Amino acid sequence: SQQGEEDPQALSIQEGENATMNCSYKTSINNLQWYRQNSGRGLVHLILIRSNEREKHSGRLRVTLDTSKKSSSLLITASRAADTASYFCATDAGAGTALIFGKGTTLSVSS
Amino acid sequence: IAGITQAPTSQILAAGRRMTLRCTQDMRHNAMYWYRQDLGLGLRLIHYSNTAGTTGKGEVPDGYSVSRANTDDFPLTLASAVPSQTSVYFCANSGTDPFQPQHFGDGTRLSIL
Repeated sequence: SQQGEEDPQALSIQEGENATMNCSYKTSINNLQWYRQNSGRGLVHLILIRSNEREKHSGRLRVTLDTSKKSSSLLITASRAADTASYFCATDAGAGTALIFGKGTTLSVSS
Repeated sequence: IAGITQAPTSQILAAGRRMTLRCTQDMRHNAMYWYRQDLGLGLRLIHYSNTAGTTGKGEVPDGYSVSRANTDDFPLTLASAVPSQTSVYFCANSGTDPFQPQHFGDGTRLSIL
């Protein structure tokens, strides 16, 4: 069963705009991670936020975590065509190293 | 740096045949995982191994088996393939620290006819 659920399922924006993706989960977590998947490739880790953190930045990425609402958001600022990919959140469900992935958000950035 | 190597990259297989998907790492990470990715269902964990010599079942283990004879290799076997096992299979690894990210191979696209 899915622990994390991303929203929206698909998002289309223009280059330069910001893209926001949301993730909701069901049980308590140790950490939440965001991954990116380009078409035909494996997932690539983007950023990890621990349960005691509220916000984290990495380049053009900003991740927030609200454990009271069991939700997280991934913001990509000033998007580029190269950001076109699927984005997944993953949680450990408090069970150690076994991650549970959501179904993903497909982002399309047009130039 | 190769990271994780999966083979084959794609395969078409007749139902009932036995198939082993290979996964090799050069990162010396203790934990390794097998996922399947299906449209609309995301990634689902099949089996995992926290260290050489141990394995565990994930969310969808039926019809699959794994072994972990050493740190670097984690093969996934379909003993008798069925069409519902048509999917893209990803191998991943991580350190055993719960705050370690996972690293993925580029997948094996498997079609069972």
